[in-house]
Amino acid sequence: GENVEQHPSTLSVQEGDSAVIKCTYSDSASNYFPWYKQELGKGPQLIIDIRSNVGEKKDQRIAVTLNKTAKHFSLHITETQPEDSAVYFCAPRTLFGNEKLTFGTGTRLTIIP
Amino acid sequence: GAVVSQHPSWVICKSGTSVKIECRSLDFQATTMFWYRQFPKQSLMLMATSNEGSKATYEQGVEKDKFLINHASLTLSTLTVTSAHPEDSSFYICSARGGSGSTTGELFFGEGSRLTVL
Repeated sequence: GENVEQHPSTLSVQEGDSAVIKCTYSDSASNYFPWYKQELGKGPQLIIDIRSNVGEKKDQRIAVTLNKTAKHFSLHITETQPEDSAVYFCAPRTLFGNEKLTFGTGTRLTIIP
Repeated sequence: GAVVSQHPSWVICKSGTSVKIECRSLDFQATTMFWYRQFPKQSLMLMATSNEGSKATYEQGVEKDKFLINHASLTLSTLTVTSAHPEDSSFYICSARGGSGSTTGELFFGEGSRLTVL
C-alpha cells in the first residue's frame, strides 16, 4: 500500500509569513495529489489538488507543487492568517483506481497573531 | 460544490447500546462511500468501503459484526456501532465519491460524528 509521510508534524508561523508542508509518498502510480484542511471537530475539506501532468497549481494564497520524480508534493500558504490554523493532511492516490485514501500523518499549523 | 451530510454530529450513549450514524450525499448520487475513524491528534484511518446494493468491504482489523454498514440507496450509507464500549469512542467521518458524471472522482467529506460511550 501507499506509505505517506508529512513534514513537519507541527508548524508555528507568524501571521503574514509563509508556511510550507511537504508530503512524501511511495506509490509511483499515484496521479492525484490533494491537500485537506481539518478544523477542530470537523471533517476534512479539500483546499487544493493537483494532477500528475501539472507541476504547480495556485489558488490565491494557496499553492501546491509536485515533484513526481522524487515522489513528493508540497502545500504552500502565503500571507498566513489566523484562520489558516488547522490540521492539514495530504492524501495521494490514483484517480478512479484504488479508492483507498491513505492520509498523511497530518501537520498542525498554528498561526501566531 | 457537492455536499455530504452526517448525522448526528455528536452522540453520547451508554455502554452496550447501539448507535447509528447516517451519511448522505445531498446533491449527487454516490455509488461508493467510505467510513473513517479518527482518534484525537491522529490521522484518519479507513474502516470500510460501502458500495450501494452490495456488502461493504472492511479493512483489516475492523470487525464487520461490530461496525455494521448499510448502503441501501445512492444517497445514504449508515454505520451502526453495535454493543458500543468506551473504546469505540471516536470521531467517525464518511466520504463519498462524486457520482456518475463526475470527471474528477473527487471525494467529499462529511462533517464527522463524535461518539462518546460512557
